[in-house]
Amino acid sequence: AQSVTQLGSHVSVSEGALVLLRCNYSSSVPPYLFWYVQYPNQGLQLLLKYTSAATLVKGINGFEAEFKKSETSFHLTKPSAHMSDAAEYFCAVSDGGYQKVTFGTGTKLQVIP
Amino acid sequence: GAGVSQSPRYKVTKRGQDVTLRCDPISSHATLYWYQQALGQGPEFLTYFNYEAQPDKSGLPSDRFSAERPEGSISTLTIQRTEQRDSAMYRCASSLSRGKTDTQYFGPGTRLTVL
Repeated sequence: AQSVTQLGSHVSVSEGALVLLRCNYSSSVPPYLFWYVQYPNQGLQLLLKYTSAATLVKGINGFEAEFKKSETSFHLTKPSAHMSDAAEYFCAVSDGGYQKVTFGTGTKLQVIP
Repeated sequence: GAGVSQSPRYKVTKRGQDVTLRCDPISSHATLYWYQQALGQGPEFLTYFNYEAQPDKSGLPSDRFSAERPEGSISTLTIQRTEQRDSAMYRCASSLSRGKTDTQYFGPGTRLTVL
C-alpha cells in the first residue's frame, strides 16, 4: 500500500527565508510523487511531479523537490519565501496504473513579514 | 470549460436527507475523480470515471454513496440518508486521460455540512 507522511502540520518562515516542507513516502513499487498547493477557497493546484526521470524536479513559483530513494523522501523547498506562498501544501504518491493518488495530511505554510 | 467547476459550493442538510453534488470537468478530459476531504486531512480517493465507465469505486465508504457520469462529461455524487460523519469537502478533479503522470486539475470543492 502507498502512503505519505508530512512532518509538521504548520510551518512558519520569515519572508525571504528558506522554505522546507518535508514529505516521506511508502510505496511497494517505484512511485510517482506530487506536490499540490491549496490557496483559500480554491482547488488544489499541481506544483510539481516526479515521474522517474530527473531526481531534482522544478515546479512553478520557484519551488523544487528532490527525490531521494535511500531516504524515501520528497521534500519541497524554495530558497526565498514570499508572502504569496502562504497556503496549504499536500504531498501525494501514486503507484497505480492510473493516478489513484494518496495524499498526505497537508502542511500549512505561514510567511511572516 | 476553462476549469473544473463544482456545484453547489456549500450545502447544509439535515441528517437522513439525500444530497447530490455536481462536477463539470474540463471539456476535453476523459478521466474524472472524486475525493472526500475531512477537516485537517488530505483528500481521500472515492472513485473515478474513464469517460462513462467507472472502473474503480473502491474508495466509496458505504453503499449510501454512488456516482455516475452517464454521458462521459458531467458527473454527480449522491449521498443517501446522510449522516453527520459525511460532513466534509468533496473535491472533483479531471485529467486528460488516466495515465500515471497526467495532471489532475481540481475544482474548488463542495463543502457539505450534515446537521
